[in-house]
Amino acid sequence: GAGVSQSPSNKVTEKGKDVELRCDPISGHTALYWYRQSLGQGLEFLIYFQGNSAPDKSGLPSDRFSAERTGGSVSTLTIQRTQQEDSAVYLCASSPRGDRGREEQFFGPGTRLTVL
Amino acid sequence: AQKVTQAQTEISVVEKEDVTLDCVYETRDTTYYLFWYKQPPSGELVFLIRRNSFDEQNEISGRYSWNFQKSTSSFNFTITASQVVDSAVYFCALSIYELTGGGNKLTFGTGTQLKVEL
Repeated sequence: GAGVSQSPSNKVTEKGKDVELRCDPISGHTALYWYRQSLGQGLEFLIYFQGNSAPDKSGLPSDRFSAERTGGSVSTLTIQRTQQEDSAVYLCASSPRGDRGREEQFFGPGTRLTVL
Repeated sequence: AQKVTQAQTEISVVEKEDVTLDCVYETRDTTYYLFWYKQPPSGELVFLIRRNSFDEQNEISGRYSWNFQKSTSSFNFTITASQVVDSAVYFCALSIYELTGGGNKLTFGTGTQLKVEL
């Protein structure tokens, strides 16, 4: 079966531009997560979606970051007015139910964002 | 707040050597889960193991073994007879049991780069 897919795999943008990163979770998985991996900060949680519940946005670093999940499946992470410190690999993961902390997460290959 | 520490930034070994990757965690929660993930050069994180806080049994899977000790808040990972294909970054991670919300946000350590040379 297909794993988690992300697009684009690489994105180069200019400072100040908006970018959209897409994640397709594993079919049937109700929980979806976004993480960011950067040299300075390591792997950080950004946001979490569970079914139709309100997302947990506690990891978003600023109000320039937002995400949505349409139809309980595909998710888009949007970064407005990009800054150079936003350069990182953005990882998406999904899990079957979320299940209160105990589930393994399946990760996608990531989107490498470079802000010039 | 949760914290995971992987003090070893990089380890280099020669093939067939045994190697242990250290992981120390901090949490005030009594119910939590510990994970190890592998990130090979291709970049995709691969799940290796999960342990819950009530199960301190060590686990062995082929050349891999894990030693969970609550008394020292450690969850160490040993690779026996290492191979070149084991070269990767290994991450230890922690999630807590959430009665409401239901998710498992992972708190990751900074990772250990393992290099296995011939």
